[in-house]
Amino acid sequence: NAGVTQTPKFRVLKTGQSMTLLCAQDMNHEYMYWYRQDPGMGLRLIHYSVGEGTTAKGEVPDGYNVSRLKKQNFLLGLESAAPSQTSVYFCASVPTSGYNEQFFGPGTRLTVL
Amino acid sequence: SQQGEEDPQALSIQEGENATMNCSYKTSINNLQWYRQNSGRGLVHLILIRSNEREKHSGRLRVTLDTSKKSSSLLITASRAADTASYFCAPSAAGGGNKLTFGTGTQLKVEL
Repeated sequence: NAGVTQTPKFRVLKTGQSMTLLCAQDMNHEYMYWYRQDPGMGLRLIHYSVGEGTTAKGEVPDGYNVSRLKKQNFLLGLESAAPSQTSVYFCASVPTSGYNEQFFGPGTRLTVL
Repeated sequence: SQQGEEDPQALSIQEGENATMNCSYKTSINNLQWYRQNSGRGLVHLILIRSNEREKHSGRLRVTLDTSKKSSSLLITASRAADTASYFCAPSAAGGGNKLTFGTGTQLKVEL
């Protein structure tokens, strides 16, 4: 199993551009999460999903949209990137509601100029 | 969900010494988890302790939980250079999509 993978690994955007980050997991996990981590900070939850076709807002959802059309994929979209969205983005997944450990991807480093 | 706050923010020790990190939180929890993050990498789950447990061991890791003080500690015994990383605690309340909220972490440096 590849576990949780994230595409791309690095990206540089100009202010106002859009992009989509892809998170994929091959473990048949139900729950998936998108976090951002800024220098010297912990992870902050952006959006999450408790199953295919569902999404919910986390702590810092503004400026981001998500979709979970397939169980194995969780997409994070930036419609109009801003410099404040420069960050490292992590995806995580959990098997089911009764399972607590989160499995993390390697991260996507995004710079918005 | 709620945030854990780790203390100290940074810790530097010699290889072979023990490292202790503390975590405080504010409201009732279902469990508390500890994660490690190596520089530039994703988080890796270390250990989970449930609210009805007081102590748990995993290899060189020992976690304690005091729900009356709303605090937890992570002890790494006989530390190695490979233990150099940031450590985060994540208290978790029941329900709510298993969401976790992470503090700013403790940066541990183990020197040879």
